[in-house]
Amino acid sequence: GAVVSQHPSRVICKSGTSVKIECRSLDFQATTMFWYRQFPKQSLMLMATSNEGSKATYEQGVEKDKFLINHASLTLSTLTVTSAHPEDSSFYICSAKPGQTNEKLFFGSGTQLSVL
Amino acid sequence: GENVEQHPSTLSVQEGDSAVIKCTYSDSASNYFPWYKQELGKGPQLIIDIRSNVGEKKDQRIAVTLNKTAKHFSLHITETQPEDSAVYFCAASKNTGFQKLVFGTGTRLLVSP
Repeated sequence: GAVVSQHPSRVICKSGTSVKIECRSLDFQATTMFWYRQFPKQSLMLMATSNEGSKATYEQGVEKDKFLINHASLTLSTLTVTSAHPEDSSFYICSAKPGQTNEKLFFGSGTQLSVL
Repeated sequence: GENVEQHPSTLSVQEGDSAVIKCTYSDSASNYFPWYKQELGKGPQLIIDIRSNVGEKKDQRIAVTLNKTAKHFSLHITETQPEDSAVYFCAASKNTGFQKLVFGTGTRLLVSP
């Protein structure tokens, strides 16, 4: 299957700092990437849809100024958690589709963010 | 919008037994139904998927069935092994817009040796 690489896998930061998470499609071009958030023992909640070369589309209740998404190329999307607070601590997962008409969605390995 | 319900939330079986996880969806326009396996601390891994023009699909010990009329689909795992222990998520999407996936609440499967 298609490979999606996510980095870093784990990050610990102080409250008030910003953290950037990278998501790369290694063997395919991804016009669309998705960012999810997952709390312990819960399902995946879609945060935003990232499209190459255009602004991201955020789900209701997700602050776009808090979670900055950049999709500058067909293989890279980044999520920046700005001015992180302890309540932002969570497991963040990116995913990508190999082609606009292909429904299959492949996920990165996730990033565990802990804000102290 | 779409709503996906998943049952059971936890499932314990003995090695070699079969396991069945069921999901129902609300939007009759949904036409793509994948299943993901997630191990602790990792991202979900696509294990099998089915489209609405197919009633059943099988891949070795894993099979998925779809009943469009009743709007439910199921994951069947036969001859379970301890390494099958994980959280399984069903999902649904339709062929419009960004084809966003809506996930079920997950089933924690434990296979005991």
